[in-house]
Amino acid sequence: GQNIDQPTEMTATEGAIVQINCTYQTSGFNGLFWYQQHAGEAPTFLSYNVLDGLEEKGRFSSFLSRSKGYSYLLLKELQMKDSASYLCAVRDDGDYKLSFGAGTTVTVRA
Amino acid sequence: EPEVTQTPSHQVTQMGQEVILRCVPISNHLYFYWYRQILGQKVEFLVSFYNNEISEKSEIFDDQFSVERPDGSNFTLKIRSTKLEDSAMYFCASSVEGLSSGNTIYFGEGSWLTVV
Repeated sequence: GQNIDQPTEMTATEGAIVQINCTYQTSGFNGLFWYQQHAGEAPTFLSYNVLDGLEEKGRFSSFLSRSKGYSYLLLKELQMKDSASYLCAVRDDGDYKLSFGAGTTVTVRA
Repeated sequence: EPEVTQTPSHQVTQMGQEVILRCVPISNHLYFYWYRQILGQKVEFLVSFYNNEISEKSEIFDDQFSVERPDGSNFTLKIRSTKLEDSAMYFCASSVEGLSSGNTIYFGEGSWLTVV
């Protein structure tokens, strides 16, 4: 199984930057995913990393270090609509499924 | 943009009753999943399904649960005898492939099940 840790809550100001860290322990590794989930809604895909380094997608970037079992999601130019839960998920080598962390609730304040 | 659709969006059922949750995965996807999320908790994997059979299941997916693909478009989750602790949001999901790099799992809007 996996052990996936991320902070429970973070608060930031509109226009600022927030970095959400995720550490994981897996027996194998076949990719790390970040999803956004608004309250009462489905998780929606944000980013995917399988190799070390930074993936940039507009205001969102995700970084992976496989040797450290570490990833972060960087949200730039925060907007009020970015207030949501951000889920770190890992796929084990040989698995079909994703295993999710508990999520980080980000609150953006004016 | 293609999406995973689920019905019903909400269901209230009495303990011990059978419930069937329905899903229509994205049309060219081959792998199907059910996840659940108890209120305030993390998203938990239940089962994956490929080529008309279960490919993987979690310890949550015990004998009271079953999945079926009755036709070319629907994918169902049946809970035979519901318990209070089955109250949760149930998400159906699908992906094009299972293991290839970059393969993304797309989630439906969920079916909120309340067992009373």
